[in-house]
Amino acid sequence: AQTVTQSQPEMSVQEAETVTLSCTYDTSESDYYLFWYKQPPSRQMILVIRQEAYKQQNATENRFSVNFQKAAKSFSLKISDSQLGDAAMYFCAYRSSYNNDMRFGAGTRLTVKP
Amino acid sequence: DGGITQSPKYLFRKEGQNVTLSCEQNLNHDAMYWYRQDPGQGLRLIYYSQIVNDFQKGDIAEGYSVSREKKESFPLTVTSAQKNPTAFYLCASSIPGQGGYPEAFFGQGTRLTVV
Repeated sequence: AQTVTQSQPEMSVQEAETVTLSCTYDTSESDYYLFWYKQPPSRQMILVIRQEAYKQQNATENRFSVNFQKAAKSFSLKISDSQLGDAAMYFCAYRSSYNNDMRFGAGTRLTVKP
Repeated sequence: DGGITQSPKYLFRKEGQNVTLSCEQNLNHDAMYWYRQDPGQGLRLIYYSQIVNDFQKGDIAEGYSVSREKKESFPLTVTSAQKNPTAFYLCASSIPGQGGYPEAFFGQGTRLTVV
Protein backbone atom coordinates (compact mmCIF):
# COMPACT_ATOMS: atom_id res chain seq x y z
CA ALA A 1 0.00 0.00 0.00
CA GLN A 2 1.06 3.54 -0.57
CA THR A 3 2.52 5.50 2.34
CA VAL A 4 2.44 9.19 3.10
CA THR A 5 5.05 10.82 5.32
CA GLN A 6 4.87 14.19 7.03
CA SER A 7 8.18 14.76 8.78
CA GLN A 8 7.19 17.90 10.69
CA PRO A 9 4.94 17.10 13.68
CA GLU A 10 4.70 20.78 14.57
CA MET A 11 5.35 24.07 12.80
CA SER A 12 5.00 27.67 13.87
CA VAL A 13 4.64 30.84 11.82
CA GLN A 14 4.24 34.50 12.57
CA GLU A 15 1.01 36.10 11.39
CA ALA A 16 1.35 37.49 7.84
CA GLU A 17 4.46 35.40 7.19
CA THR A 18 4.86 32.38 4.90
CA VAL A 19 5.23 28.76 5.99
CA THR A 20 5.83 25.54 4.07
CA LEU A 21 4.63 22.13 5.21
CA SER A 22 6.37 19.07 3.82
CA CYS A 23 4.96 15.80 2.52
CA THR A 24 6.48 12.86 0.73
CA TYR A 25 4.79 9.72 -0.51
CA ASP A 26 5.73 6.33 -1.79
CA THR A 27 3.96 4.75 -4.74
CA SER A 28 4.60 2.72 -7.86
CA GLU A 29 1.51 4.12 -9.59
CA SER A 30 1.64 6.78 -12.26
CA ASP A 31 -1.86 8.15 -11.91
CA TYR A 32 -3.10 9.42 -8.55
CA TYR A 33 -4.36 12.43 -6.63
CA LEU A 34 -2.78 14.37 -3.80
CA PHE A 35 -4.53 16.55 -1.27
CA TRP A 36 -3.96 18.78 1.71
CA TYR A 37 -6.67 18.79 4.34
CA LYS A 38 -7.05 21.09 7.32
CA GLN A 39 -8.50 19.89 10.63
CA PRO A 40 -9.36 22.71 13.06
CA PRO A 41 -10.25 22.04 16.71
CA SER A 42 -13.81 21.17 15.61
CA ARG A 43 -12.20 18.09 13.96
CA GLN A 44 -14.12 18.67 10.74
CA MET A 45 -11.89 17.78 7.80
CA ILE A 46 -11.67 20.63 5.28
CA LEU A 47 -10.11 20.32 1.84
CA VAL A 48 -7.43 22.93 1.30
CA ILE A 49 -6.08 22.02 -2.12
CA ARG A 50 -5.92 19.14 -4.61
CA GLN A 51 -3.39 18.12 -7.24
CA GLU A 52 -3.83 15.63 -10.06
CA ALA A 53 -0.60 13.74 -10.77
CA TYR A 54 -0.98 14.06 -14.53
CA LYS A 55 -0.96 17.86 -14.27
CA GLN A 56 2.49 19.40 -14.19
CA GLN A 57 1.23 22.78 -13.09
CA ASN A 58 1.20 23.33 -9.35
CA ALA A 59 -2.25 23.91 -7.87
CA THR A 60 -3.06 27.22 -6.21
CA GLU A 61 -6.03 28.28 -4.09
CA ASN A 62 -5.80 31.88 -2.93
CA ARG A 63 -3.08 31.97 -0.24
CA PHE A 64 -2.40 28.25 -0.52
CA SER A 65 -0.14 26.73 -3.15
CA VAL A 66 1.71 23.46 -3.60
CA ASN A 67 5.09 22.44 -4.91
CA PHE A 68 4.49 19.11 -6.62
CA GLN A 69 7.64 17.24 -7.59
CA LYS A 70 6.45 13.98 -9.13
CA ALA A 71 9.86 12.42 -9.67
CA ALA A 72 10.89 13.15 -6.12
CA LYS A 73 7.43 12.12 -4.81
CA SER A 74 7.17 15.33 -2.89
CA PHE A 75 4.10 17.50 -2.30
CA SER A 76 4.64 20.51 -0.05
CA LEU A 77 2.06 23.11 0.94
CA LYS A 78 2.92 26.80 1.10
CA ILE A 79 0.69 29.13 3.10
CA SER A 80 1.27 32.80 2.33
CA ASP A 81 0.18 35.74 4.49
CA SER A 82 -0.63 33.38 7.36
CA GLN A 83 -3.72 34.20 9.39
CA LEU A 84 -4.75 33.22 12.90
CA GLY A 85 -7.50 31.10 11.39
CA ASP A 86 -4.93 28.96 9.61
CA ALA A 87 -3.94 27.37 12.92
CA ALA A 88 -4.94 23.70 12.70
CA MET A 89 -3.70 20.21 11.96
CA TYR A 90 -2.78 19.75 8.31
CA PHE A 91 -2.87 16.37 6.66
CA CYS A 92 -1.37 15.32 3.37
CA ALA A 93 -3.31 12.59 1.54
CA TYR A 94 -2.81 10.28 -1.42
CA ARG A 95 -5.61 8.68 -3.42
CA SER A 96 -5.02 5.96 -5.98
CA SER A 97 -6.78 6.36 -9.32
CA TYR A 98 -6.83 2.58 -9.74
CA ASN A 99 -8.54 1.33 -6.61
CA ASN A 100 -9.52 4.50 -4.71
CA ASP A 101 -7.39 3.54 -1.73
CA MET A 102 -6.81 6.79 0.17
CA ARG A 103 -4.05 7.25 2.76
CA PHE A 104 -3.12 10.08 5.05
CA GLY A 105 0.06 11.27 6.68
CA ALA A 106 0.49 11.68 10.43
CA GLY A 107 -0.23 15.40 10.23
CA THR A 108 1.51 18.67 11.04
CA ARG A 109 0.17 20.93 13.77
CA LEU A 110 0.48 24.54 12.65
CA THR A 111 0.55 27.34 15.19
CA VAL A 112 0.13 30.94 14.06
CA LYS A 113 1.59 33.58 16.37
CA PRO A 114 0.03 37.05 16.48
CA ASP B 1 -28.39 19.54 1.65
CA GLY B 2 -25.90 16.95 0.32
CA GLY B 3 -23.43 15.55 2.74
CA ILE B 4 -22.25 12.77 4.98
CA THR B 5 -23.91 12.08 8.29
CA GLN B 6 -22.27 10.16 11.08
CA SER B 7 -24.21 9.21 14.15
CA PRO B 8 -24.03 9.43 17.02
CA LYS B 9 -21.48 12.17 17.70
CA TYR B 10 -20.52 10.62 21.05
CA LEU B 11 -20.86 6.95 21.93
CA PHE B 12 -20.12 5.15 25.17
CA ARG B 13 -19.94 1.39 25.47
CA LYS B 14 -18.86 -1.14 28.04
CA GLU B 15 -15.82 -3.24 27.36
CA GLY B 16 -16.68 -6.48 25.58
CA GLN B 17 -19.71 -5.14 23.75
CA ASN B 18 -19.94 -4.76 20.01
CA VAL B 19 -20.98 -1.34 18.75
CA THR B 20 -22.01 -0.09 15.32
CA LEU B 21 -21.20 3.37 14.01
CA SER B 22 -23.49 4.77 11.36
CA CYS B 23 -22.41 6.56 8.17
CA GLU B 24 -24.89 7.75 5.54
CA GLN B 25 -24.23 9.88 2.46
CA ASN B 26 -26.57 11.46 -0.09
CA LEU B 27 -23.85 12.61 -2.47
CA ASN B 28 -24.30 9.64 -4.80
CA HIS B 29 -20.68 8.69 -4.20
CA ASP B 30 -19.53 5.18 -5.01
CA ALA B 31 -16.48 5.00 -2.72
CA MET B 32 -16.73 5.17 1.07
CA TYR B 33 -14.07 5.00 3.79
CA TRP B 34 -13.62 4.53 7.52
CA TYR B 35 -10.67 6.04 9.36
CA ARG B 36 -9.56 5.97 12.95
CA GLN B 37 -7.84 8.96 14.56
CA ASP B 38 -6.08 8.74 17.90
CA PRO B 39 -5.05 11.87 19.86
CA GLY B 40 -2.34 13.81 18.06
CA GLN B 41 -2.14 11.24 15.30
CA GLY B 42 -3.08 10.96 11.68
CA LEU B 43 -5.93 9.12 10.02
CA ARG B 44 -5.47 5.40 9.71
CA LEU B 45 -7.53 3.49 7.17
CA ILE B 46 -9.76 0.75 8.59
CA TYR B 47 -11.85 -0.28 5.58
CA TYR B 48 -12.94 1.18 2.28
CA SER B 49 -15.55 0.25 -0.29
CA GLN B 50 -15.57 1.06 -3.98
CA ILE B 51 -19.05 -0.24 -4.78
CA VAL B 52 -22.01 -1.91 -3.12
CA ASN B 53 -21.28 -5.38 -1.68
CA ASP B 54 -17.54 -4.88 -1.99
CA PHE B 55 -14.96 -3.65 0.53
CA GLN B 56 -11.24 -3.90 1.20
CA LYS B 57 -9.23 -3.95 4.42
CA GLY B 58 -7.05 -1.04 5.30
CA ASP B 59 -4.07 -1.00 7.64
CA ILE B 60 -5.92 -1.63 10.88
CA ALA B 61 -8.95 -3.81 9.99
CA GLU B 62 -8.49 -6.30 12.83
CA GLY B 63 -11.35 -6.09 15.30
CA TYR B 64 -13.61 -4.19 12.90
CA SER B 65 -16.22 -5.25 10.36
CA VAL B 66 -18.22 -3.39 7.72
CA SER B 67 -21.06 -3.94 5.28
CA ARG B 68 -22.12 -2.13 2.11
CA GLU B 69 -25.62 -3.25 1.26
CA LYS B 70 -26.69 0.15 -0.07
CA LYS B 71 -24.75 2.81 -1.91
CA GLU B 72 -25.72 5.39 0.71
CA SER B 73 -24.69 3.47 3.80
CA PHE B 74 -21.41 2.07 5.14
CA PRO B 75 -21.77 1.08 8.83
CA LEU B 76 -18.73 0.13 10.90
CA THR B 77 -18.96 -2.43 13.71
CA VAL B 78 -16.34 -2.29 16.42
CA THR B 79 -16.18 -5.78 17.86
CA SER B 80 -14.99 -7.01 21.24
CA ALA B 81 -11.87 -8.29 19.46
CA GLN B 82 -10.62 -4.73 18.99
CA LYS B 83 -8.04 -4.29 21.77
CA ASN B 84 -8.20 -0.53 22.15
CA PRO B 85 -11.38 0.82 20.55
CA THR B 86 -11.52 4.21 22.23
CA ALA B 87 -10.84 6.71 19.43
CA PHE B 88 -12.32 9.25 17.04
CA TYR B 89 -13.81 7.64 13.92
CA LEU B 90 -14.24 9.44 10.62
CA CYS B 91 -16.29 8.32 7.64
CA ALA B 92 -15.70 9.70 4.15
CA SER B 93 -16.93 9.26 0.61
CA SER B 94 -15.69 10.14 -2.86
CA ILE B 95 -16.42 9.74 -6.55
CA PRO B 96 -14.08 7.13 -8.04
CA GLY B 97 -12.29 7.42 -11.34
CA GLN B 98 -11.96 10.35 -13.67
CA GLY B 99 -14.28 13.32 -13.76
CA GLY B 100 -15.97 15.12 -10.93
CA TYR B 101 -14.10 15.99 -7.76
CA PRO B 102 -11.55 13.39 -6.67
CA GLU B 103 -11.32 14.41 -3.03
CA ALA B 104 -13.00 12.71 -0.11
CA PHE B 105 -15.82 14.43 1.75
CA PHE B 106 -15.96 13.78 5.47
CA GLY B 107 -18.59 13.38 8.12
CA GLN B 108 -18.26 15.13 11.47
CA GLY B 109 -16.97 12.03 13.20
CA THR B 110 -17.97 9.79 16.10
CA ARG B 111 -16.08 9.83 19.36
CA LEU B 112 -16.23 6.30 20.80
CA THR B 113 -15.32 5.73 24.43
CA VAL B 114 -15.18 2.24 25.83
CA VAL B 115 -15.26 1.95 29.61
